Amino acid sequence: QVQLVQSGAEVKKPGASVKVSCKASGYTFATYTIHWVRQAPGQRLEWMGWINAGNGDTKYSGVFQGRVTITRDTSASTAYMELNSLRSEDTALYYCARTHSSSNSYTSLDIWGRGTMVSVTS
Amino acid sequence: DIVMTQSPDSLAVSLGERATINCKSSQSVLYSSNNKNYLAWYQQKPGQPPKLLIYWASTRESGVPDRFSGSGSGTDFTLTISSLQAEDVAVYHCQQHFSIPFTFGPGTKVDIK
Repeated sequence: QVQLVQSGAEVKKPGASVKVSCKASGYTFATYTIHWVRQAPGQRLEWMGWINAGNGDTKYSGVFQGRVTITRDTSASTAYMELNSLRSEDTALYYCARTHSSSNSYTSLDIWGRGTMVSVTS
Repeated sequence: DIVMTQSPDSLAVSLGERATINCKSSQSVLYSSNNKNYLAWYQQKPGQPPKLLIYWASTRESGVPDRFSGSGSGTDFTLTISSLQAEDVAVYHCQQHFSIPFTFGPGTKVDIK
C-alpha cells in the first residue's frame, strides 16, 4: 500500500541540526511532490516547504528560509528535511506528506507519514 | 501570507446530531482559471497524523463516509458532519493550498455531548 515511513525521534541541543527522512513506498516516488509540515505542542499545523521528487525543485516557507533544506534521493525513494540552528521553539512533531495529485504541487495532502518527534533541549 | 481562521474552537454534539465547522481565509482561494477552491479539510485523532477528508472544498476523499461534506467558495467554507458518530471525535483542520506558504487553520475540536 502507499505509505511514507519516517525516521525515529531525535533529541538535539540548541544550535544543532537535525535531518529527518521520509521513505516512500507503494507508488512511483518521482511522480509526486513531498511536503513537510510540523506541529508544535498546542499549535496549529505549520507548512515548511516542498520538494518535487521528480525534478528536485523546492519551495520553502519564509519563516524557515535559510534554516531548512529539503532534498531527495530518488534511488532510495526517500525525501529529507534538514533544519539548522535549532532552538527550543523547534520542538515539534515533523510530518512528511504527499500531494494528492501527481501533476500539481498545489494540491491537498493525501498520504502522511506518522511523524518524527524532534525535541530541542539543553 | 493567507491567514486561516476557524470557528468555533471546539464544539460538543450529541450522537446522531449535526456538527458544523466554519473556516475563513484572509484572501480568496478560488482560482479563476479552473474555478476550483484550493481548500482542504483534515481530521486528526490523538496520536495520529492528519487524514484528508475533503479537497477542492467540496470533494470527498475516497473512503470518507458521506456524512462528511464540504461547502463554500472564495473565503468562507464549512465542514458539516451530518450525523455525528463516536469515531468522529477529533480535531478538524482546514488548509489553503492556493499560495505559498500553505497555511492551516487553528483546528476545531469535536466532542460528544
